[in-house]
Amino acid sequence: DAEITQSPRHKITETGRQVTLACHQTWNHNNMFWYRQDLGHGLRLIHYSYGVHDTNKGEVSDGYSVSRSNTEDLPLTLESAASSQTSVYFCASSESTGNVLTFGAGSRLTVL
Amino acid sequence: GEDVEQSLFLSVREGDSSVINCTYTDSSSTYLYWYKQEPGAGLQLLTYIFSNMDMKQDQRLTVLLNKKDKHLSLRIADTQTGDSAIYFCAERGYNKLIFGAGTRLAVHP
Repeated sequence: DAEITQSPRHKITETGRQVTLACHQTWNHNNMFWYRQDLGHGLRLIHYSYGVHDTNKGEVSDGYSVSRSNTEDLPLTLESAASSQTSVYFCASSESTGNVLTFGAGSRLTVL
Repeated sequence: GEDVEQSLFLSVREGDSSVINCTYTDSSSTYLYWYKQEPGAGLQLLTYIFSNMDMKQDQRLTVLLNKKDKHLSLRIADTQTGDSAIYFCAERGYNKLIFGAGTRLAVHP
């Protein structure tokens, strides 16, 4: 069965360190998204991609970067982790029409 | 701009109906969605409605759309303890979804 997997599921890191969260999907979806979920804010869009080598900034992109070298993967990198980036991160993907998003199980990141 | 708002908490008795409400701002949204998130899990699509529809029913779920007021609701009939979760309303912006903050539904005996 097709799926979307995130790793690691839990990570604790220190302020200033670089962190990469992986997202891998086998749906062959063109569109991929990264959201963060915080209490009281719901899901906020960080970055998204409509295909290989395409990346776009979402509403909360500062301090994050993504790259899309193939269809299956969209890793999210925190260049220098900050305590404000403690959150649960969700990756999602959709077909080109973008009508339905399929979500991963989430990665909980704690920055000390 | 695009914005989706929903109340943060709803408590219901087991067996009663639950109604979760949502308002959105983008009148050009073509699809509106309800997602469910159980503890420690990702979001799962519950149902969605196309903007030219007023109502959609799927077993215990009824979605009502009032385009004039930009109001979307999700009714869960005969609410069970397994329905306890966070429910997210979302509207489709330009090729991406805009989510509300989520409504936490608590079902008590």
